[in-house]
Amino acid sequence: GENVEQHPSTLSVQEGDSAVIKCTYSDSASNYFPWYKQELGKRPQLIIDIRSNVGEKKDQRIAVTLNKTAKHFSLHITETQPEDSAVYFCAASSYNQGGKLIFGQGTELSVKP
Amino acid sequence: NAGVTQTPKFQVLKTGQSMTLQCAQDMNHNSMYWYRQDPGMGLRLIYYSASEGTTDKGEVPNGYNVSRLNKREFSLRLESAAPSQTSVYFCASSGRTTSTDTQYFGPGTRLTVL
Repeated sequence: GENVEQHPSTLSVQEGDSAVIKCTYSDSASNYFPWYKQELGKRPQLIIDIRSNVGEKKDQRIAVTLNKTAKHFSLHITETQPEDSAVYFCAASSYNQGGKLIFGQGTELSVKP
Repeated sequence: NAGVTQTPKFQVLKTGQSMTLQCAQDMNHNSMYWYRQDPGMGLRLIYYSASEGTTDKGEVPNGYNVSRLNKREFSLRLESAAPSQTSVYFCASSGRTTSTDTQYFGPGTRLTVL
């Protein structure tokens, strides 16, 4: 089945710097790659997603890139702010697995003012 | 529009006790999911229901049972709780059947098994 590896597990940046979180997946049939943000004590919430027919997607300060050949995708946050501090999860799914999401282990991002 | 709701928010059980976690969604979604979240392990799928009347095992189904009561409700049952089931449990739902679509999460249930 699908396996998703996420790195790094913790990331600390200065306010205004960029942050990059990387994920690799194992199932070449995976075609949907969402990113979730989870603040302390809260539920995970979708921040951006990308599908396999697209190489890059941007939404204001957040962007996701996908390399299907290498089976990896990344989350890029520019001009980080203290409110970006949270745990971020990548995930992958495919039609041949019933649309189930397999999550990475999470990255705890800390943005220092 | 409440989205995805879960009850209870907190629960403490003794080893061997049973309980049912309740989940409901009002978004007319076809698919519903149960995850557990443990430190350093992300979210792991326990069971899911692609549509009303169907359920399937996820990554970590042992020790759990589920019921898709109707389109809105999906419950998770622990028949004989064990300390290894101490975790935060999230229910989620998504719009389409066995398809890739945004999953919306409930607020979670924090379960401790002594």
